[in-house]
Amino acid sequence: AQRVTQPEKLLSVFKGAPVELKCNYSYSGSPELFWYVQYSRQRLQLLLRHISRESIKGFTADLNKGETSFHLKKPFAQEEDSAMYYCALGKGSNYQLIWGAGTKLIIKP
Amino acid sequence: DAGVTQSPTHLIKTRGQQVTLRCSPISGHKSVSWYQQVLGQGPQFIFQYYEKEERGRGNFPDRFSARQFPNYSSELNVNALLLGDSALYLCASSTGLAGNEQYFGPGTRLTVT
Repeated sequence: AQRVTQPEKLLSVFKGAPVELKCNYSYSGSPELFWYVQYSRQRLQLLLRHISRESIKGFTADLNKGETSFHLKKPFAQEEDSAMYYCALGKGSNYQLIWGAGTKLIIKP
Repeated sequence: DAGVTQSPTHLIKTRGQQVTLRCSPISGHKSVSWYQQVLGQGPQFIFQYYEKEERGRGNFPDRFSARQFPNYSSELNVNALLLGDSALYLCASSTGLAGNEQYFGPGTRLTVT
């Protein structure tokens, strides 16, 4: 069964510290993985996708097929990174998204 | 462009009633997807429409239905409402299907009492 797991509901780190938000997936096909972010009182928006291999707002994520993981990382957290982060798996040719439960990231000053 | 718009913002219904939620995609976007987000969980895929045709359906009962109009706007209908249908309903639009970024609306908060 296709599934996305984000084991941490809440992650709290100090400003300037490294951040890693975990995402594990279960999918028999070739996965397309995404990170979406929702800042306070804003809409869900795409942060990055694994196929683009970009660094957005200092965040990176590497697809590890052996560990079936797509962890989101940032070396130095900033207060404006505080938000809800969702990992999502694109299923099938039409990229119907399967979502994790989300991790709330709080950056302490 | 105001982005994806949804109406109403929130509404309260009674068990057994029917509800219609509306979504207007970004101009030029031909695909609309609907998601249900229960409090404390991630969104769950309900439907995807492209060029007025259903292209995908999630694991939801037949009480849930949707359609897309010639102007690419969309409606989600839920019949015989249950308490468990209380959730935030999100609409997302994209230019096409595979590989295209989805842009989300603000959602409609449905409360069933």
